[in-house]
Amino acid sequence: GDSVTQMEGPVTLSEEAFLTINCTYTATGYPSLFWYVQYPGEGLQLLLKATKADDKGSNKGFEATYRKETTSFHLEKGSVQVSDSAVYFCALTLNFGNEKLTFGTGTRLTIIP
Amino acid sequence: DAEITQSPRHKITETGRQVTLACHQTWNHNNMFWYRQDLGHGLRLIHYSYGVHDTNKGEVSDGYSVSRSNTEDLPLTLESAASSQTSVYFCASSESLSDYNEQFFGPGTRLTVL
Repeated sequence: GDSVTQMEGPVTLSEEAFLTINCTYTATGYPSLFWYVQYPGEGLQLLLKATKADDKGSNKGFEATYRKETTSFHLEKGSVQVSDSAVYFCALTLNFGNEKLTFGTGTRLTIIP
Repeated sequence: DAEITQSPRHKITETGRQVTLACHQTWNHNNMFWYRQDLGHGLRLIHYSYGVHDTNKGEVSDGYSVSRSNTEDLPLTLESAASSQTSVYFCASSESLSDYNEQFFGPGTRLTVL
C-alpha cells in the first residue's frame, strides 16, 4: 500500500541553523506530496505542496522538491527560527482529486535560541 | 471568518461508554474527514464524507461510526469506548473533488478512555 517514511525525531537545532527533514514515499501511480505543520496545541496547517515530478513547493522560507527518481520530498530551510518549533508531517494523496491523505509519523523540531 | 471547530476539546470516559465527538465547519465544504493521531503512527484516517448522506470507511474505522445529515457537521461516535481508542482526534474539511484543495484542520479533541 501507499506509505510515507519520515526521519525520526526529535530534531533539535540552534537558531539560524540549516534544516533538513527527510521524507520518502511508496505509492502506486503518481502522488501529490505535501508538508503539514502542527504548532503546539493546534491542528495541522498546510505548509507547502507539489503535484508533479520536479515541482518545488515553498512557503515561509521552507522548500521541498518532488524527486520522482528517488521518491523523496525532503523539507529544507536555510535559517530556522525559534518560531519554527513544531511537528512536521509529510503526506501524499494518490488520486489527485479524491483528497485522502496518507501521513508520515511526524518529526518534532525544536529550535533553541 | 470561516472556521472548523471541535468539541469537546478534552474528554475522559470509561470503557464501554458511548462517546460522540462533534465537528462543525462554516466553510460550506463538501468533504469532511476524521483522523486520529498517535505517537509513532502520525495521523490515520478513520472515516470521511464527500457530501450529505455520504460516508466512507478509512484505514482504522473499526469501533467508530459517522453520519452526515447536513453540510456543516460530521459527528464521530465511539459505540463502546475502548482503552485503545485513547488518542487525539482531528476533524478536517476541504472544498471539492475536482482538484486538490487544502484540508483545513480543527484544533483537536483529546480523548482518554479509562
